[in-house]
Amino acid sequence: DQQVKQNSPSLSVQEGRISILNCDYTNSMFDYFLWYKKYPAEGPTFLISISSIKDKNEDGRFTVFLNKSAKHLSLHIVPSQPGDSAVYFCAASRGGNYQLIWGAGTKLIIKP
Amino acid sequence: DSGVTQTPKHLITATGQRVTLRCSPRSGDLSVYWYQQSLDQGLQFLIQYYNGEERAKGNILERFSAQQFPDLHSELNLSSLELGDSALYFCASSAPPFTDTQYFGPGTRLTVL
Repeated sequence: DQQVKQNSPSLSVQEGRISILNCDYTNSMFDYFLWYKKYPAEGPTFLISISSIKDKNEDGRFTVFLNKSAKHLSLHIVPSQPGDSAVYFCAASRGGNYQLIWGAGTKLIIKP
Repeated sequence: DSGVTQTPKHLITATGQRVTLRCSPRSGDLSVYWYQQSLDQGLQFLIQYYNGEERAKGNILERFSAQQFPDLHSELNLSSLELGDSALYFCASSAPPFTDTQYFGPGTRLTVL
């Protein structure tokens, strides 16, 4: 049972435009959500997180939106840059030292 | 640099052999997690340790085992290796209960010939 789903295996976006990566979850007990970026043959790098008490969190070019009623979160990258080309994973947690539940990842390709 | 270190970076071995992967968490982190990534697939959670004790188990084979030592470093032991065990193995650490954010090491690439 996939509790965290990233339904788009890949996404191609023009440099300078907005990239929107989506993630859906099924477990209403999740209260902490994270996005990670991963380059080939490297470990995932933490990007941004959001607690369920918020609906938006920003960090520079990255903004995460959380819609609890729809059990949906999205990551917006504005403007997209060539270095943003990577695989993006969303993950969710129930908090309190529970393991993260990971999505399958979305490969983002930024076209020049 | 996440502060998580993993050794070795690369490991090449033969089927049937046993290897040990090592991980040192970030200073102060009590939790260590092990993940496997095969052929650019998603991350498969293997096992979690918290302050020396096993906390959660994922899709870890019986041929695999792990432990976390008093100094909080962790080792993942893989035995009776098969070709299909070739993968990237990542270690991550976190500092619960203050955060569930995990910080990943650079990984160990295991090749089984």
